[in-house]
Amino acid sequence: NAGVTQTPKFQVLKTGQSMTLQCAQDMNHEYMSWYRQDPGMGLRLIHYSVGAGITDQGEVPNGYNVSRSTTEDFPLRLLSAAPSQTSVYFCASTIRRGRRTGELFFGEGSRLTVL
Amino acid sequence: TQLLEQSPQFLSIQEGENLTVYCNSSSVFSSLQWYRQEPGEGPVLLVTVVTGGEVKKLKRLTFQFGDARKDSSLHITAAQPGDTGLYLCAGGENNDMRFGAGTRLTVKP
Repeated sequence: NAGVTQTPKFQVLKTGQSMTLQCAQDMNHEYMSWYRQDPGMGLRLIHYSVGAGITDQGEVPNGYNVSRSTTEDFPLRLLSAAPSQTSVYFCASTIRRGRRTGELFFGEGSRLTVL
Repeated sequence: TQLLEQSPQFLSIQEGENLTVYCNSSSVFSSLQWYRQEPGEGPVLLVTVVTGGEVKKLKRLTFQFGDARKDSSLHITAAQPGDTGLYLCAGGENNDMRFGAGTRLTVKP
């Protein structure tokens, strides 16, 4: 069972470059989200989606774009990378349960370094 | 400022000791989740608590949700090296899930 798959696992960018982190899930989950994890900061929510065609901002959305054209895929785009975006990025998905979020299933993470 | 404050940030103990870690907030949550994360991997759900005052046990792990649903604790009895990891609490509404900074636990053999 694949679950949540993220690519690439590692990436080095130069300041100003753009790139897309890919996330795919095969569990037919309506809800998908992106987090970044920095030392001492825990996981911070960047963007999330409650279904195809619907996206919303989280806690730290600036500098990132997302789209949700299918249930399975939720790519995260960095438009012009900055050193402050050096982090480990996690994609997560779950079934919606009304107001209460179900168990989040995480990918293995994508480690991004911006020079 | 973190919505969810976890303490302590770091904890290093010997195998066999007991420990408690805390997750506190000024906000009320309909539920709180606890996750454990190992190096190089994503977090994995341990438990969800949904009722104020609720206590859930998972083998040597005991989770409690505060009566006011603003805080939670995780108690580990007779810790083992396999318990080593980052313990994260998470809460939120309408799929806007926020995480605490975590407690990094090291259990030495």
